[in-house]
Amino acid sequence: QKEVEQNSGPLSVPEGAIASLNCTYSDRGSQSFFWYRQYSGKSPELIMFIYSNGDKEDGRFTAQLNKASQYVSLLIRDSQPSDSATYLCAVERGGKLIFGQGTELSVKP
Amino acid sequence: DTGVSQDPRHKITKRGQNVTFRCDPISEHNRLYWYRQTLGQGPEFLTYFQNEAQLEKSRLLSDRFSAERPKGSFSTLEIQRTEQGDSAMYLCASSWIGDEQFFGPGTRLTVL
Repeated sequence: QKEVEQNSGPLSVPEGAIASLNCTYSDRGSQSFFWYRQYSGKSPELIMFIYSNGDKEDGRFTAQLNKASQYVSLLIRDSQPSDSATYLCAVERGGKLIFGQGTELSVKP
Repeated sequence: DTGVSQDPRHKITKRGQNVTFRCDPISEHNRLYWYRQTLGQGPEFLTYFQNEAQLEKSRLLSDRFSAERPKGSFSTLEIQRTEQGDSAMYLCASSWIGDEQFFGPGTRLTVL
């Protein structure tokens, strides 16, 4: 079992819809969780981080964390074609980040 | 520009050659990380520094890889006797202790 697992996709949603990206992790002791966006050929860009159970909202993005279920998700409201990218879930462990393989999101106009 | 910078952005080399990459972190950050990313995968941790001390090195990292951060500022990553399997994007990130990591643009290595 991988430490951090994501569906590789691609996930396709129409413009204006809500995109839901999911991530599970194996280490129950994990405390810090991050979502990065990566455009093709570019480096990861931090978009959200969450440390506590529940929801955290930032503009069109909402991160959700459920430590009991070892599950973290990212919702993107009013999806735009410019949101088309790979979304990487990462879990902090001992100072370093452990990444999932990423979910490719495609937002169709 | 106050972001993480990396040099070179692209490197093409022949198998067996040595290569060295440089990373300049965000100036106030005391932690610096190196990751490697291959196509279709998430970044994979290689090593990280706190100031000039190398705190952890991945067990997956062969002895051909070495990293330094001599004065606690910029860092170099050297790969000796490159192999085709070393072809990847090498990413550098920096942070303050316990804070979020910010990535540089990466160095894309192609080993022929």
